Amino acid sequence: QITLKESGPTLVKPTQTLTLTCTFSGFSLTARGVTVGWIRQPPGKALEWLALIYWDDDKRYSPFLRSRLTISRDTSKNQVVLTVTNIVPEDTGTYFCAHTSAEDGDPFDYWGQGTLVTVSS
Amino acid sequence: DIRMTQSPSSLSASVGDRVTITCRASQNIGNFLNWYQQKPGKAPELLIYGASSLHSGVPSRFSGSGSGTEFALTISSLQPEDFATYYCQQSYNTPRTFGQGTKVEIK
Repeated sequence: QITLKESGPTLVKPTQTLTLTCTFSGFSLTARGVTVGWIRQPPGKALEWLALIYWDDDKRYSPFLRSRLTISRDTSKNQVVLTVTNIVPEDTGTYFCAHTSAEDGDPFDYWGQGTLVTVSS
Repeated sequence: DIRMTQSPSSLSASVGDRVTITCRASQNIGNFLNWYQQKPGKAPELLIYGASSLHSGVPSRFSGSGSGTEFALTISSLQPEDFATYYCQQSYNTPRTFGQGTKVEIK
C-alpha cells in the first residue's frame, strides 16, 4: 500500500525559505522507474507542477521556479524534501507530493493529502 | 513547454447526463495523457492514464480517448459523486503540465 504525507510550516514570512518534507511508504525511490514529484495549488486555482526526483537521483524543475527550488531525497528515511527560497505571497497554496511509475507512463497515481502554506508577514 | 488547454472551463449537468471534457496539447504527446478528479479540500485522484487506461478502482462510467494532441474524458452517466473539478496532465516530458481544469457543477 503506497502512502505519502507532506509536512512543514503552515505560515511563512516573505523572503524566508520554505522546507517541505514528503514521507512515503509502500515503495522504494531507488526502484527503477519510480519518481516522486511536488505539485502546488494556489487557493481556487489550478494545479502547478514544481519538481520531480527520479530513482537514480536525477532531478527536474519547473523552468519558472527553477532558481528557487531544490528537491532532494533521503532514501534511508523514505523522504523527499523540497525547499523554496525567497518566499513571496504568490507561493501561498496547498503543496502536494505524489508518486509516479514509468511502467504506466508516469501518471501521478498516489498523492499525499497536501499541506497548506500561507505566506504572510 | 507543452501547453494543455481544457474545454470547457466549467459546465452544468444533471445526474444521468453524458459529459465530455476535452484537452488539447500544444504538441504531439502520443498517449502520455492523464486525467484527474479533484473534490474541494482534497488531493487530486487519478482516473485515467495513458489516455485511455482506467486506474484501479475507478468506475467504468469514466473513459478516456484520443492521442497526439486531442484527448477527451467522458462520463457516460453522471453520478452525484462526480461533481468535481477535472484536470488533464501530460507526462510526455518535463516540465509536466496540467490543464486549467474543468469544473462540473449540478444543473
